Amino acid sequence: EDQVTQSPEALRLQEGESSSLNCSYTVSGLRGLFWYRQDPGKGPEFLFTLYSAGEEKEKERLKATLTKKESFLHITAPKPEDSATYLCAVQAPRGSTLGRLYFGRGTQLTVWP
Amino acid sequence: NAGVMQNPRHLVRRRGQEARLRCSPMKGHSHVYWYRQLPEEGLKFMVYLQKENIIDESGMPKERFSAEFPKEGPSILRIQQVVRGDSAAYFCASSPPGSSGANVLTFGAGSRLTVL
Repeated sequence: EDQVTQSPEALRLQEGESSSLNCSYTVSGLRGLFWYRQDPGKGPEFLFTLYSAGEEKEKERLKATLTKKESFLHITAPKPEDSATYLCAVQAPRGSTLGRLYFGRGTQLTVWP
Repeated sequence: NAGVMQNPRHLVRRRGQEARLRCSPMKGHSHVYWYRQLPEEGLKFMVYLQKENIIDESGMPKERFSAEFPKEGPSILRIQQVVRGDSAAYFCASSPPGSSGANVLTFGAGSRLTVL
């Protein structure tokens, strides 16, 4: 049973064209939702952690938001260097290993000049 | 200040051989996690270890897979009698002692296993 679903699977944007990536989750009692960036041939790189509905976090051109059922990663005026796969993950329910994350399959973002 | 170091980065094995993947956590980190990323799938948790202890191996296949994190040296993920379905990227992550776990996970670059 998939606990984290990301959409779209792939997204192509022109430089400067803002958009959003979606992550919906089904785990009850969310302890934390994580966004990572993964470049080809590399490991996931941490971006954000969100804990409660209504929370928002920003870093450069990225802004992550959280509701009770989904999270969005907004990309404002993207640049080619933002091209990567963006991964969403939720922390395992209470009583489980803290570092155990359930990952979505990711959204592959390509930003062309 | 090296990050999480994994080796080999690429490993090719024939069916039935053994694969050993090594992970050296970040300096000062004593918690190690292994994740597997199969083609077209998301990363999936395999095992969580602390020095000399397996804490949670509920994500690891019951047969052929084992993991250890000795007092000295890197953590090792061992896959015996590999099959083509074991072809994947294996990622190691570490976190410091006394941490709240996922909040401070640092991932390595991964080891890519190809089984012929």
